[in-house]
Amino acid sequence: GAGVSQSPSNKVTEKGKDVELRCDPISGHTALYWYRQSLGQGLEFLIYFQGNSAPDKSGLPSDRFSAERTGGSVSTLTIQRTQQEDSAVYLCASSPGLAGPSYEQYFGPGTRLTVT
Amino acid sequence: KQEVTQIPAALSVPEGENLVLNCSFTDSAIYNLQWFRQDPGKGLTSLLLIQSSQREQTSGRLNASLDKSSGRSTLYIAASQPGDSATYLCAVSTRSNDYKLSFGAGTTVTVRA
Repeated sequence: GAGVSQSPSNKVTEKGKDVELRCDPISGHTALYWYRQSLGQGLEFLIYFQGNSAPDKSGLPSDRFSAERTGGSVSTLTIQRTQQEDSAVYLCASSPGLAGPSYEQYFGPGTRLTVT
Repeated sequence: KQEVTQIPAALSVPEGENLVLNCSFTDSAIYNLQWFRQDPGKGLTSLLLIQSSQREQTSGRLNASLDKSSGRSTLYIAASQPGDSATYLCAVSTRSNDYKLSFGAGTTVTVRA
């Protein structure tokens, strides 16, 4: 079946602009995670959804970052007033969550964001 | 806070040699541990998942062991090939942390032909 998809694959934006990153999880997966991979920082957790609710937003680095999930499926990560330090690869993962036994996470190909 | 460490940071071996990649974590109350592969400029490919109740998992030339009490996992890759060249990441999840993954920094492997 189809895996996790993300769009766009690459995004170049000017400092101060807003960007939206999209994630389409595997059908039926109730849990969705956003991570960020920065040069020299490794992979860090941003936010977690169970269904449409986000019980854990602890990883969002500032109030410029927000995310939503609709219909228990597609999720959008929005970064307002982008800064150069936001440049990174943003990865989305989905998991069967409570519907599955192992909580294995499946990752999308990521969106490479460059803020100039 | 869960800390995950991977040693070594980089490894270069001749083709055919066995690879041993190490991962350690500070909080032994994990739910599961995943090993991933990442090729340059690409996303993460899941290689193996070990549940906390398991001691090892095998897939083809790959074998991963888990010693939860000592906070260690080892990924073995037998008879390495140039196509195994990539960065290998270890990640652990805990039930109390909504199963989100804490990642190590990775081991970058180069297999020389």
